[in-house]
Amino acid sequence: AIQLTQSPSSLSASVGDRVTITCRASQDIIRALGWYQHKPGETPKLLIYEASGLEGGVPSRFSGSGSGTDFSLTISSLQPEDFGTYYCQQFNNYPLTFGGGTKVYFK
Amino acid sequence: QVQVVESGGGVVQPGGSLTLSCVASGFSFNTYAMHWVRQAPGKGLEWVAFIRSDANNIYYADSVRGRFTISRDNSRNMVYLQMNSLRPEDTAVYFCAKPLRAYGPYFHSWGQGSLVTVSS
Repeated sequence: AIQLTQSPSSLSASVGDRVTITCRASQDIIRALGWYQHKPGETPKLLIYEASGLEGGVPSRFSGSGSGTDFSLTISSLQPEDFGTYYCQQFNNYPLTFGGGTKVYFK
Repeated sequence: QVQVVESGGGVVQPGGSLTLSCVASGFSFNTYAMHWVRQAPGKGLEWVAFIRSDANNIYYADSVRGRFTISRDNSRNMVYLQMNSLRPEDTAVYFCAKPLRAYGPYFHSWGQGSLVTVSS
């Protein structure tokens, strides 16, 4: 199975900060990668598909980039509602796999 | 409006069985693949199983293959997850998810989840 390694596992930042989360795949997944936001008590929310496609209704401060094995999610200006855990997920091969998650805290 | 609702969770003893159900509405269910995803307490998300719209392609996570069976009834807009030989490590909230596109990529619409607890 393809392994996805996210870093960092957690981060603390202030409102307005630029935040970047990285995801490395154990083999080439082309651009078959998505990013999700998961807040406690809520269902996960798809933010980015196909590495850089912004899902409808997602604020433009979220962006994704990368291809092959290295990917990143960037929040250009962190907002209070952006707390939660972020996961990458690959769709290149079954079994589908998620990264271990990055928990975003506010300073 | 897309809706996905799971049911059937509960407490079961190790080695026991349980079947989860998921009813979907607001989209052409018989043209969409569907997924099950789970989250154990304090852990991350784990994909569990996939079924194509016509049920001709089915995939499982290594951790559940041979014990879990995914199925669907397009006449009732339902997808099921039959879970046998349950282990304590199967304790999790199980989500049913509609993909972004019909053939299955990305988890777009999620149910609220159904809690399965495996404990003696």
